[in-house]
Amino acid sequence: EVQLVESGGGLVKPGGPLRLSCAASGFTFSNAWMNWVRQAPGKGLEWVGRIKSKTDGGATDYAAPVKGRFTISRDDSKNTLYLQMNSLKTEDTAVYFCTTVLRWATLPRWGQGTLVTVSS
Amino acid sequence: QSALTQTASVSGSPGQSITISCTGTSSDVGGYNYVSWYQQHPGKAPKLMIYDVTKRPSGVSNRFSGSKSGNTASLTISGLQAEDEADYYCSSYTSSSTLVFGGGTKLTVL
Repeated sequence: EVQLVESGGGLVKPGGPLRLSCAASGFTFSNAWMNWVRQAPGKGLEWVGRIKSKTDGGATDYAAPVKGRFTISRDDSKNTLYLQMNSLKTEDTAVYFCTTVLRWATLPRWGQGTLVTVSS
Repeated sequence: QSALTQTASVSGSPGQSITISCTGTSSDVGGYNYVSWYQQHPGKAPKLMIYDVTKRPSGVSNRFSGSKSGNTASLTISGLQAEDEADYYCSSYTSSSTLVFGGGTKLTVL
């Protein structure tokens, strides 16, 4: 069974850093493209970014609001996806979901999410 | 990249059919057959219901169907059931190699 378990969320001050993790199991993580998607409280879904598998080059793409501040990486030896968030803003407050990706744009499997609150 | 446009809310009675629309541009919905639909119940993670405009993942009821015309994609739910009450989001691949979601539609089953 595919499982994605996010962790690392919490309360952080504006301007601060935070790193989220997503532990994957039940599939060949090294072959998978992965996404981060976020959802602000009471709001809709927002794509954060994507990382390809290393065999497909390992490239990353980011949404405009986070480009230059967030970095997606992966450790295939640990079956873990990461989201390093720097220079956090109050508007980054959201539940962050990791997802698998098929053919660029289909997100078949989602984790349960981890809440990030940016507040002074 | 602006969010795709969805009607904020839609409602229907059990057994009826409803359609949710998702309007984008030629740079996203109209330019690619990479439109997906997700169902989200309160406090839960989204669930994939339709992908590649019309395809249903294994295990999703055939009461859910998708289509596209020009820059607008649609999700139709037939034979509405109480458990269909949820938020629905469309998404599309874009010409910038990014992904864009719609603002979401709240479905109420009367």
